[in-house]
Amino acid sequence: SQQGEEDPQALSIQEGENATMNCSYKTSINNLQWYRQNSGRGLVHLILIRSNEREKHSGRLRVTLDTSKKSSSLLITASRAADTASYFCALITWRWASGSRLTFGEGTQLTVNP
Amino acid sequence: GAVVSQHPSRVICKSGTSVKIECRSLDFQATTMFWYRQFPKQSLMLMATSNEGSKATYEQGVEKDKFLINHASLTLSTLTVTSAHPEDSSFYICSARRGGARGGELFFGEGSRLTVL
Repeated sequence: SQQGEEDPQALSIQEGENATMNCSYKTSINNLQWYRQNSGRGLVHLILIRSNEREKHSGRLRVTLDTSKKSSSLLITASRAADTASYFCALITWRWASGSRLTFGEGTQLTVNP
Repeated sequence: GAVVSQHPSRVICKSGTSVKIECRSLDFQATTMFWYRQFPKQSLMLMATSNEGSKATYEQGVEKDKFLINHASLTLSTLTVTSAHPEDSSFYICSARRGGARGGELFFGEGSRLTVL
């Protein structure tokens, strides 16, 4: 399956702590993205990391990619209550018939307690 | 960023009726849109790829006659859940691709929650 597998499935931390979420996948990828979803809402794109990149930063977010281990991690530093959401990794793959497509990991439900 | 609009955001219908969900790219043209389904506390599952002017490409296990997809223009794709049953109750999310097949960006709608009574 190309779908990512994420752990932990649920993570509960205190405000100010760091949150780390991991994503593993089984096939070769072109790119990997991380998304956030507030309950009952659409998805918000957080960050994209290409297969030739190992680490990327965006504000309080840090994403790593290890293609040899087929894994990626999302680190949120100095977490806030507003970071409470579900976080998904998504694998970008390409098919001749339909071009690029996204398949999502199982997601991590992050709860940041004030 | 680009805007993708879904309508309706919530719909409740009786079992046996059909429901249409619209996905519009408001400020760009999208030759390709994607439809996802999400059950509570689960991930998004890709249902089908909608291509403007041609038939949709469905993922394995998704019934074509159950979930009708029409992509009649470069800014609109519709998903019709036919003869809906309670097990079709779910959160349906579309995304639209801006740009080419290889380098295009994907933008997501806010989702449509379907409840079948």
